[in-house]
Amino acid sequence: DQQVKQNSPSLSVQEGRISILNCDYTNSMFDYFLWYKKYPAEGPTFLISISSIKDKNEDGRFTVFLNKSAKHLSLHIVPSQPGDSAVYFCAASEGGAQKLVFGQGTRLTINP
Amino acid sequence: EPEVTQTPSHQVTQMGQEVILRCVPISNHLYFYWYRQILGQKVEFLVSFYNNEISEKSEIFDDQFSVERPDGSNFTLKIRSTKLEDSAMYFCASLGLAGEPTTDTQYFGPGTRLTVL
Repeated sequence: DQQVKQNSPSLSVQEGRISILNCDYTNSMFDYFLWYKKYPAEGPTFLISISSIKDKNEDGRFTVFLNKSAKHLSLHIVPSQPGDSAVYFCAASEGGAQKLVFGQGTRLTINP
Repeated sequence: EPEVTQTPSHQVTQMGQEVILRCVPISNHLYFYWYRQILGQKVEFLVSFYNNEISEKSEIFDDQFSVERPDGSNFTLKIRSTKLEDSAMYFCASLGLAGEPTTDTQYFGPGTRLTVL
């Protein structure tokens, strides 16, 4: 069941540049999307979210874009910093307090 | 800043034994969840809990699993007879009250690594 897909298992970006992580989904009932960051042996840490009524949400260096017609969202991190190196998970829900469906994660490495 | 806590951080058990994983959700949160992540796989939903009852469960959450909120602060996941394939990281999450800026955001604990031998 691949309702949420992150097709890039890894991404390497130079410090100071933009990191773009992508996520696709298939369930048209999803209306709330989140990005979590995860370090080894830790729980997912909430980064940023977006509701389906918006197409963009920004919080500091992090911006999430949602393209509902393409069922695609992306996370932009600019400028990228070494501390951003982690695994990033895209997650989606049908809103409210519904369960989260996660993608497989993308390992982001920021090179100095 | 309020956070979800989980104990123990690592649990080793023999196949067939019962384990109880404990979580303290964020105070005043109303919705509680368990997820797990088998090594190398995605995080997957197990069960959600609201108003002292299960609101949704996945097909993974069979009769060997149960959840309980024994008091006003703890939220537990019990596996009655563990199997080798139950080895995973188990994450607890909680979700806040209506009206909060991030109403639909689930906050996760650090996880319990369960190893079944």
